[in-house]
Amino acid sequence: LAKTTQPISMDSYEGQEVNITCSHNNIATNDYITWYQQFPSQGPRFIIQGYKTKVTNEVASLFIPADRKSSTLSLPRVSLSDTAVYYCLVGDPGGFKTIFGAGTRLFVKA
Amino acid sequence: DAGITQSPRHKVTETGTPVTLRCHQTENHRYMYWYRQDPGHGLRLIHYSYGVKDTDKGEVSDGYSVSRSKTEDFLLTLESATSSQTSVYFCAISEARQLEAFFGQGTRLTVV
Repeated sequence: LAKTTQPISMDSYEGQEVNITCSHNNIATNDYITWYQQFPSQGPRFIIQGYKTKVTNEVASLFIPADRKSSTLSLPRVSLSDTAVYYCLVGDPGGFKTIFGAGTRLFVKA
Repeated sequence: DAGITQSPRHKVTETGTPVTLRCHQTENHRYMYWYRQDPGHGLRLIHYSYGVKDTDKGEVSDGYSVSRSKTEDFLLTLESATSSQTSVYFCAISEARQLEAFFGQGTRLTVV
């Protein structure tokens, strides 16, 4: 199973772009990369998923280099409400063993 | 938000007693999951289901059993609760394997 490594915490200010990088050196050919967001006392919420290159939705962008050994979640112009824990997951869409790591705790300051 | 309800939301129980947590969905999703979340461990998969009466173990299944007799309900049972099972339990559902999963609000279980 591909293990992921993320920074434990990050600080930012409102209006800035935040990039959270996740390392997954052992990613398998069939694995996809998925990011979730979790607020205190709530369940995780899906943000974005990708396989290679770049994926963008209304919330974030996901950048995946050609070797797929890392990925970067980009949050444009963060606000205080983006303070949360962000999880990077790597897993095979055909399997059930995706692993949640410890996540990155993002603090957005005014 | 996806129609997923966990019950109870909070429970305190004594060591050695059986406990059942319920996850109910109204989305008709095929796949359902139970996770536990503990400080320093993130979320860990306990059991999952890929259809009615079809379940399998996750990475931390010891001490837990599950049942799914209907598409909409996935039950997690602690046959004899221990203090190490004090945790926050999350249910999740998904339409397709490992794609976007929707999580419930969680159940905070304390075993004393």
